[in-house]
Amino acid sequence: EADIYQTPRYLVIGTGKKITLECSQTMGHDKMYWYQQDPGMELHLIHYSYGVNSTEKGDLSSESTVSRIRTEHFPLTLESARPSHTSQYLCASSTDGFSNYGYTFGSGTRLTVV
Amino acid sequence: GIQVEQSPPDLILQEGANSTLRCNFSDSVNNLQWFHQNPWGQLINLFYIPSGTKQNGRLSATTVATERYSLLYISSSQTTDSGVYFCAATNTGFQKLVFGTGTRLLVSP
Repeated sequence: EADIYQTPRYLVIGTGKKITLECSQTMGHDKMYWYQQDPGMELHLIHYSYGVNSTEKGDLSSESTVSRIRTEHFPLTLESARPSHTSQYLCASSTDGFSNYGYTFGSGTRLTVV
Repeated sequence: GIQVEQSPPDLILQEGANSTLRCNFSDSVNNLQWFHQNPWGQLINLFYIPSGTKQNGRLSATTVATERYSLLYISSSQTTDSGVYFCAATNTGFQKLVFGTGTRLLVSP
């Protein structure tokens, strides 16, 4: 079944640690996105990718970085986690076609930095 | 960039009631979508509707592009409809959606 997977689902980590949030999709979508969401609030785009070797920063400034070496994989890395990074991170993907099922979200990673 | 506003911010319903959620956007759009975020945080795509009307079971949506608003109708609400409903839109060639602040719906039995 085509889907988009995020790991870990929950992560509690100490200040200063390096972390990578994983996102993979099996739908062959060319476009992928990372959104950040504080509890009960709207989603903000922090990174997106047109395709392999293409990454851009989103509308919300973020200290995280991303890479897109393979179509299906779009990991997000924080070099030195801080308590201000505590949030939910949602990965999504879409196709070129504007269809009802073209935009799919993963289950998210809830990050807590202590 | 485009601005997306949703109303009401919160809504409490008895099971079986109907409701209408509104989304206003500040500019013409080439992509508008409605999402439901369940209490566990999972976002589900409900409708892609930059214009016109669509229906899916008890849910339907209408977008009047010329007047820059979209409506999501929920009929015969169920407790499983609880969660946050987000409207998101874009007017760029790339599908970078801008999300509204959401409508938090609680359906009580």
